[in-house]
Amino acid sequence: QVQLVQSGSELKKPGASVKVSCKASGYTFTSYAMNWVRQAPGQGLEWMGWINTNTGNPTYAQGFTGRFVFSLDTSVSTAYLQISSLKAEDTAVYYCARWFDDWGLRWGQGTLVTVSS
Amino acid sequence: NFMLTQPHSVSESPGKTVTISCTGSSGSIASNYVQWYQQRPGSAPTTVIYEDNQRPSGVPDRFSGSIDSSSNSASLTISGLKTEDEADYYCQSYDSSNIWVFGGGTKLTVL
Repeated sequence: QVQLVQSGSELKKPGASVKVSCKASGYTFTSYAMNWVRQAPGQGLEWMGWINTNTGNPTYAQGFTGRFVFSLDTSVSTAYLQISSLKAEDTAVYYCARWFDDWGLRWGQGTLVTVSS
Repeated sequence: NFMLTQPHSVSESPGKTVTISCTGSSGSIASNYVQWYQQRPGSAPTTVIYEDNQRPSGVPDRFSGSIDSSSNSASLTISGLKTEDEADYYCQSYDSSNIWVFGGGTKLTVL
């Protein structure tokens, strides 16, 4: 069955980098985009952008340019979100999500990234 | 910027029907599909309605979605409320540049 399994929680210091993975299974990875969504503690959902899983071309939403990088390793059906120069305000749960025509959006389980000194 | 506005919270009793609205700030909400996501505490969101009124397999038919062009709003209606329906609900659509837009979320309390 379709699954999006994300990497585990991360605790990082300000200024460090983090790389979150999203491993897909149960469907053809290189079809449809992979999206990334952020949810800060106690807040709503915020779309970060998407990456074309066919070409690897990323599109970043406003507010997610510069320190945020989407990438792929199609050989292991995995999408990545890397955040550099981490700040306290990057503390959030990060979700990957992919559209399916007969389902709508399927979501990964989320990865909590905590930035604290 | 296109925005979607939801009530912060709604509450209703078990067995009753509740409707959560999602109002578009500009343009026609009917121009792009609207999705609805349920998020229980400590869990990832799940899709309960996609493309305005479609239910994923496994979502009970107590959940329904609709569009009202006259009020530029989408609605999620849950009938026969159960305590397990208590969750946050988010609407989502797209702006004119296909940028995803989420509503602020509505906390549903079933009491």
